[in-house]
Amino acid sequence: GAVVSQHPSWVICKSGTSVKIECRSLDFQATTMFWYRQFPKQSLMLMATSNEGSKATYEQGVEKDKFLINHASLTLSTLTVTSAHPEDSSFYICSALGLSLTANTEAFFGQGTRLTVV
Amino acid sequence: AQKITQTQPGMFVQEKEAVTLDCTYDTSDQSYGLFWYKQPSSGEMIFLIYQGSYDEQNATEGRYSLNFQKARKSANLVISASQLGDSAMYFCAMRENNAGNMLTFGGGTRLMVKP
Repeated sequence: GAVVSQHPSWVICKSGTSVKIECRSLDFQATTMFWYRQFPKQSLMLMATSNEGSKATYEQGVEKDKFLINHASLTLSTLTVTSAHPEDSSFYICSALGLSLTANTEAFFGQGTRLTVV
Repeated sequence: AQKITQTQPGMFVQEKEAVTLDCTYDTSDQSYGLFWYKQPSSGEMIFLIYQGSYDEQNATEGRYSLNFQKARKSANLVISASQLGDSAMYFCAMRENNAGNMLTFGGGTRLMVKP
């Protein structure tokens, strides 16, 4: 199957700093990438949909100024958590949908990033 | 209303036995897809099986099969011959073709396989 690489797999940062998470599609062009957030023992919640070359679409309740998403190329989307606070500590995971994939195929997920803000 | 409901927060199964994980969904779309993912403690999402709304036969992938009952809007996952490595969180998800292709996830079921 297609490969999506997410980096870093874990990060610890201080309150007030920013953290960038990268999501790359390695062997296909991803026109759309999705960013999810998962709190411990909970399900994945969609944060935003990222389309190459356009602004991301954020889900209700997600602060777009805090969670900056950039999808500058067909193989890379980034999520930047700005001015991080301890409540931003969570597991963030991306998934990608490619040009050659139909809507009825699996979504390919990155490995996820565990963010801890201290 | 919840789009995807998984009513079993946790389940035990004896090694080598079969287990069914429940999933019901809610959609008004005619065209949609149903997915099951396995999430071990490492956090990665492992795709298991897919069922399209127009597929007449239940999907099967090795030890995984999907019991698709469209009229009841259920898509239960059946794991046969459970193995210790099957212990993980399992998520049911739906993609509605008129809703931007994102996946909506259920709350998950933690499966624990007993030796």
